[in-house]
Amino acid sequence: EAEVAQSPRYKITEKSQAVAFWCDPISGHATLYWYRQILGQGPELLVQFQDESVVDDSQLPKDRFSAERLKGVDSTLKIQPAELGDSAMYLCASSLQGPSGYTFGSGTRLTVV
Amino acid sequence: GEDVEQSLFLSVREGDSSVINCTYTDSSSTYLYWYKQEPGAGLQLLTYIFSNMDMKQDQRLTVLLNKKDKHLSLRIADTQTGDSAIYFCAERGATNKLIFGTGTLLAVQP
Repeated sequence: EAEVAQSPRYKITEKSQAVAFWCDPISGHATLYWYRQILGQGPELLVQFQDESVVDDSQLPKDRFSAERLKGVDSTLKIQPAELGDSAMYLCASSLQGPSGYTFGSGTRLTVV
Repeated sequence: GEDVEQSLFLSVREGDSSVINCTYTDSSSTYLYWYKQEPGAGLQLLTYIFSNMDMKQDQRLTVLLNKKDKHLSLRIADTQTGDSAIYFCAERGATNKLIFGTGTLLAVQP
């Protein structure tokens, strides 16, 4: 069964350092999403790509977060500088058009110390 | 605005039925979803329902949708210990993004 790949699985970083997460969506899925899930809460959308274009980044803290999907396939989410409040699970998902919903990766658990 | 609410916790005995409830606010929702999340893992799609349907059954899962009241429920028949997890409902609105609820922790007692 096709999966969304994410790495790393876990990341511990010090406050003010830079950190990056990588996602490889299911082949052929044009739409890619990055969600942030704070412990005890539901996931919240950070950014949505359609191919290589950003469709929605209204909830992305652009002063410190950036996301790219240069060739419309895999994607990188970067935080610089990291803050304590960024500790969370970062989930990547991809989808086709239609109702079948998103397929999520296993996530990257970020801890900022 | 868009908002999805769920009760925080549900405890059932193994073999009983579980019913997890969800309310949402966006009347333009096209599809509604139920996801399952086990500890430390990503989200697994369980089932979804189109907004013009009122019921969908998939093996042990039954989804009921009351569009007038914007109420969605997930019934799990013959609940097993392996069903213990956090369950999220989500709505998909006109912008195509999923808005998730806060999640319901289902604890199944043996």
